[in-house]
Amino acid sequence: AQSVTQLDSHVSVSEGTPVLLRCNYSSSYSPSLFWYVQHPNKGLQLLLKYTSAATLVKGINGFEAEFKKSETSFHLTKPSAHMSDAAEYFCVVSDRNTGGFKTIFGAGTRLFVKA
Amino acid sequence: SQTIHQWPATLVQPVGSPLSLECTVEGTSNPNLYWYRQAAGRGLQLLFYSVGIGQISSEVPQNLSASRPQDRQFILSSKKLLLSDSGFYLCAWSVRRTNEKLFFGSGTQLSVL
Repeated sequence: AQSVTQLDSHVSVSEGTPVLLRCNYSSSYSPSLFWYVQHPNKGLQLLLKYTSAATLVKGINGFEAEFKKSETSFHLTKPSAHMSDAAEYFCVVSDRNTGGFKTIFGAGTRLFVKA
Repeated sequence: SQTIHQWPATLVQPVGSPLSLECTVEGTSNPNLYWYRQAAGRGLQLLFYSVGIGQISSEVPQNLSASRPQDRQFILSSKKLLLSDSGFYLCAWSVRRTNEKLFFGSGTQLSVL
């Protein structure tokens, strides 16, 4: 069965310190994995995606994520947080299903960045 | 270029009334289509997805139904709304073959009173 678990509902960091947002997934096949970001009162924006190429994926705004099949994880990281990174982040898993794709979202992690 | 239209943007409905939200996609064919609901402070819950005309997969047993009468049209319906149906509904599509990313509609804020 397909599922995605974001291990932290809230993460708080100081500006300039590293960010780690954790995600574990469950999939019957070889999934595609994504991270989306949603700023307050804004739509969803794709940060990065993994689709069975390099396991370390670089995205926009300095974010990156590493696909670890043995750990079924796809954690999102950034070396140095910026105030503008404060937002909600969603881990997403997508599997082939009956000729198309089924795509589900994690519950989200709210990132707070302190000055 | 591809576009997605979702309407209405806001809707206030009494309990027990019917619902119809419509989503259409332009500029592509055979898309994967999705209906999600986003409750305040929670993630996006997948309600329905479709890989083709008349092919609907339901993820959560509930008071809602979906239909895909045409390739690029996806409709979310209810015969009788409940208070718990209130929320923000998002339609989305992706390219069936590559599934590179989701493209979202602008959403419908539904309030059931």
